[in-house]
Amino acid sequence: GQNIDQPTEMTATEGAIVQINCTYQTSGFNGLFWYQQHAGEAPTFLSYNVLDGLEEKGRFSSFLSRSKGYSYLLLKELQMKDSASYLCAVMDSNYQLIWGAGTKLIIKP
Amino acid sequence: ETGVTQTPRHLVMGMTNKKSLKCEQHLGHNAMYWYKQSAKKPLELMFVYNFKEQTENNSVPSRFSPECPNSSHLFLHLHTLQPEDSALYLCASSQDGTSGADTQYFGPGTRLTVL
Repeated sequence: GQNIDQPTEMTATEGAIVQINCTYQTSGFNGLFWYQQHAGEAPTFLSYNVLDGLEEKGRFSSFLSRSKGYSYLLLKELQMKDSASYLCAVMDSNYQLIWGAGTKLIIKP
Repeated sequence: ETGVTQTPRHLVMGMTNKKSLKCEQHLGHNAMYWYKQSAKKPLELMFVYNFKEQTENNSVPSRFSPECPNSSHLFLHLHTLQPEDSALYLCASSQDGTSGADTQYFGPGTRLTVL
């Protein structure tokens, strides 16, 4: 079966760094997406990785290792507005997104 | 603002009611999606339309009926729902649904409560 695993909840301090991990087992792989979803709002696109390595975009970076079925989202210089759920999703061989349940990130002052 | 709008934002209905959810995208995309999001569960893909043709129906009960009159509009018709259908229903669109980097853009969702 297809499966995406990520931690249910994480807590971090304002100004710090946090890494959110995602492991996956899917039928085929056409890339991995990270989305941010604030409570009561639409998921918004953060990053896309299809090749191994690190993609950096401002305070956010995303890493992929296809051989390990593993990705992480790294958030630096955390701000209170980063409190949200972070969703990991893999595009399978049918170009459908398989989703994790999301990681709720709580930022404390 | 993602360019995808959904109405209504909140809906309460009884099990015998008939209602419809509406989604509109202003991004010039050709693929549209309905997802169900329940608390602490992964997003569940319900329906996919590419160029107005339904290409996916992930074993969704017949009490949910999609309609895609054109590439910009998507509806989800609801009838005789069950309380377990209460959830956030999200609409998304993407360029064509046939490539790896085809990013999906989401609307804010309709929070549905079935009494």
